[in-house]
Amino acid sequence: DAGVTQSPTHLIKTRGQQVTLRCSPISGHKSVSWYQQVLGQGPQFIFQYYEKEERGRGNFPDRFSARQFPNYSSELNVNALLLGDSALYLCASSRWTGTGGYEQYFGPGTRLTVT
Amino acid sequence: DQQVKQNSPSLSVQEGRISILNCDYTNSMFDYFLWYKKYPAEGPTFLISISSIKDKNEDGRFTVFLNKSAKHLSLHIVPSQPGDSAVYFCAASGGSNYKLTFGKGTLLTVNP
Repeated sequence: DAGVTQSPTHLIKTRGQQVTLRCSPISGHKSVSWYQQVLGQGPQFIFQYYEKEERGRGNFPDRFSARQFPNYSSELNVNALLLGDSALYLCASSRWTGTGGYEQYFGPGTRLTVT
Repeated sequence: DQQVKQNSPSLSVQEGRISILNCDYTNSMFDYFLWYKKYPAEGPTFLISISSIKDKNEDGRFTVFLNKSAKHLSLHIVPSQPGDSAVYFCAASGGSNYKLTFGKGTLLTVNP
């Protein structure tokens, strides 16, 4: 089975521009989460969607938005890019383990560089 | 306010020996814990998880121990192999919340 896929792999944008990142979850997974990872830190939670509805939002500005489509794929949009938005953006899809929690499986990430 | 802490930025062990990676948490609402392994320029790879109703979970060379009273968990890798060299992240979630809170990671180097 295919894992979580993300596109594009790398992206270079200029300050002030807008960017859209895409994610397809593992087949059968209905939840998608987005994380931002900067160098030297663990991934930071941005959004979680389940069945096309936003279930959670991290401490990120309104410049960040996301949506989930009927096929459970998702897009993350970032407007008015800042240099500090340069990071690895990770998408994860989740499955219920039946033993008390959700296991999240990550895609390879999109490396965004803002110049 | 860092709710998940990995206090050792790096760890170096010899091939064949045990690697022990530690993680502490402060949020008592966390009830599910996961370990991920990450190579540079790749996404994190899920290794093993544990629910707060258990104190130990094993999967092959990987064992996770949970001490709820101390709010501490550890990942044991036995025997360690050079291919295990990577950054290891501890993560936690609470209840039906999908959100994972990660530590900053520990760089494990396994020397041949």
